[in-house]
Amino acid sequence: GAGVSQSPSNKVTEKGKDVELRCDPISGHTALYWYRQRLGQGLEFLIYFQGNSAPDKSGLPSDRFSAERTGESVSTLTIQRTQQEDSAVYLCASGKLNTEAFFGQGTRLTVV
Amino acid sequence: ELKVEQNPLFLSMQEGKNYTIYCNYSTTSDRLYWYRQDPGKSLESLFVLLSNGAVKQEGRLMASLDTKARLSTLHITAAVHDLSATYFCAVAPGSSASKIIFGSGTRLSIRP
Repeated sequence: GAGVSQSPSNKVTEKGKDVELRCDPISGHTALYWYRQRLGQGLEFLIYFQGNSAPDKSGLPSDRFSAERTGESVSTLTIQRTQQEDSAVYLCASGKLNTEAFFGQGTRLTVV
Repeated sequence: ELKVEQNPLFLSMQEGKNYTIYCNYSTTSDRLYWYRQDPGKSLESLFVLLSNGAVKQEGRLMASLDTKARLSTLHITAAVHDLSATYFCAVAPGSSASKIIFGSGTRLSIRP
């Protein structure tokens, strides 16, 4: 079956522009997670969805970051007025209760 | 706030040797996960540990969970070069649906 799909795989944007990252989870997975991974670093939690509600937004670094999810389907992570420190790989994962999270291949964002 | 600490952060070892990676976490949880990440790739699930005393084995890797001590271990037996990667533990706090927090990762390098 299909895994978690993220698009685009690579994105280069100019500082100050807005970007939208997309995640298509595995069908039937109620939980969806967004993480940020800077080069050579660990995974920084951003936000978690259960269905289309976000019980935990505690990891969003600033009000420039927002995310939404349609039902138990696609999610978008939006970064407004991008800064160079936003450059990283953004990873999306989906799962069910008491199973592991399955990861997509990530979107590599470069802000120039 | 849930903290997940791994040690060591870097490990260089010879083929054929045994070693253990430790994962400590700071709050009650009965869901712990181990992942592997190869350079430039996404994360691959290795083990799901859901109860105190759980032990899982796959090839040369064995993971265990002690929820009372809030400690999980990943043991490597007779290491081979193909196991070179970064290994992450991750914890979901509590027992209901929640976010998953990752440790900083252990970068494992196995030399001939």
